[in-house]
This record gives sequence, C-alpha cells and structure tokens, in this order.
Amino acid sequence: ETGVTQTPRHLVMGMTNKKSLKCEQHLGHNAMYWYKQSAKKPLELMFVYSLEERVENNSVPSRFSPECPNSSHLFLHLHTLQPEDSALYLCASSQAFRGLGEAFFGQGTRLTVV
Amino acid sequence: GNSVTQMEGPVTLSEEAFLTINCTYTATGYPSLFWYVQYPGEGLQLLLKATKADDKGSNKGFEATYRKETTSFHLEKGSVQVSDSAVYFCALRALSAGGGADGLTFGKGTHLIIQP
Repeated sequence: ETGVTQTPRHLVMGMTNKKSLKCEQHLGHNAMYWYKQSAKKPLELMFVYSLEERVENNSVPSRFSPECPNSSHLFLHLHTLQPEDSALYLCASSQAFRGLGEAFFGQGTRLTVV
Repeated sequence: GNSVTQMEGPVTLSEEAFLTINCTYTATGYPSLFWYVQYPGEGLQLLLKATKADDKGSNKGFEATYRKETTSFHLEKGSVQVSDSAVYFCALRALSAGGGADGLTFGKGTHLIIQP
C-alpha cells in the first residue's frame, strides 16, 4: 500500500467509448502525475499537476484529457482512443517545490482498447 | 534535457549470485536519484534513493551510491533471491527552469530473472 489508489485496475473499451481513470492520494502531497507504460518503451510522463494547476503536458494527444479538482484527486478522461493507446497507466504523487523527493505510485490501470 | 541510461535485459542470474545493474544519467544541476522496482502486475515501488553526491541508498540488501564524478548510480546486491525477479528502473528528479521540481525521468528498465 503506497497511499496512492487507482481505479479501475483493468479497463477494456471500444474506440468510440468515453471512460475515465481515477487516482486518489492520501499522502498530503501537492503534485500528481500521469505516466504511460507501454511494452518495450520507456515510461512516458504525460501530465503534471502542481497545486491543482497543470504545469506540464508532454505533447499528449487531445483524446487524453486530465482533470485535477483538488490536490488529492486526479482523473484522466479518455475518448475516441486508438488500439495503440493500450497500456498501463500509472498515477503518482509527490511533494513539489520542496526539494527533490521521491514519487509514490499507484498500482496502475491496465487499459485495452479494442 | 534530463536522461537516464541503464542496461537493458533480461539479466538472468542464479540464486545467491552477485547483482550489478548499471545506471548513468544526464541532468542539470544536482538531481536526486532513485531505484524503483516493479513486480508483475504491479505499479512501481521505491526501492532506494540518494539525494546528494556520495550518498549511499540501501534497502532489502540492495545498495546504490550517488557518484557525481561518473554520473552513475549503479544498483548492487550481494546475494540475489528468486523473489528479487522483477523489473528495475533507475530514475532521477531535477529542478526545472522555473525552480520547481520536474516529474521523474526514468530509464527503460532492466528485467531481472533469478533462477533457483
């Protein structure tokens, strides 16, 4: 138990569906992240939120839409995805602007686009 | 920009063998360095960390020393067990141009297989 919880753990969706991934952290952190982990590729940082403001968006397609309503919750809204978007999506949290501490990760959501 | 290079596997060892997984990095300033481990079907777990030069991080028999002169953070363990089979990621975190901290930058991961 890392203090970061992701739901659902597994998700299968069609290319025309709309779904959302949820992440919740109970660590009192003020920065949250979405990473994408694909087979045979490095971990890709998708989005960074610090103090509920998006501070980084690494050229992610608009079919991925993040939302951070407060410092404890992070969502990733998905629509009209492609099969190549199938991957493990990892949420993480850390303290930001207070040194260079570690990030804590959730268990991930295994997404399959059919 | 920041980058991490680590040996790619799979690395296959026998139980009780000595383990070294190499990691080198490029970063602006003085980053913090980390090793994360990922067991099958799981997220990433922090294994150990070091925040300044010559620091040694250690946990569960694993060690890594922050070597600024060689920009390296190699992971070692004296005697591996079957339960150590996993994917190991070297990572760094550095200050951004705006003064805040960036997200972690990861290496590609090293798949470690320990045979009985």
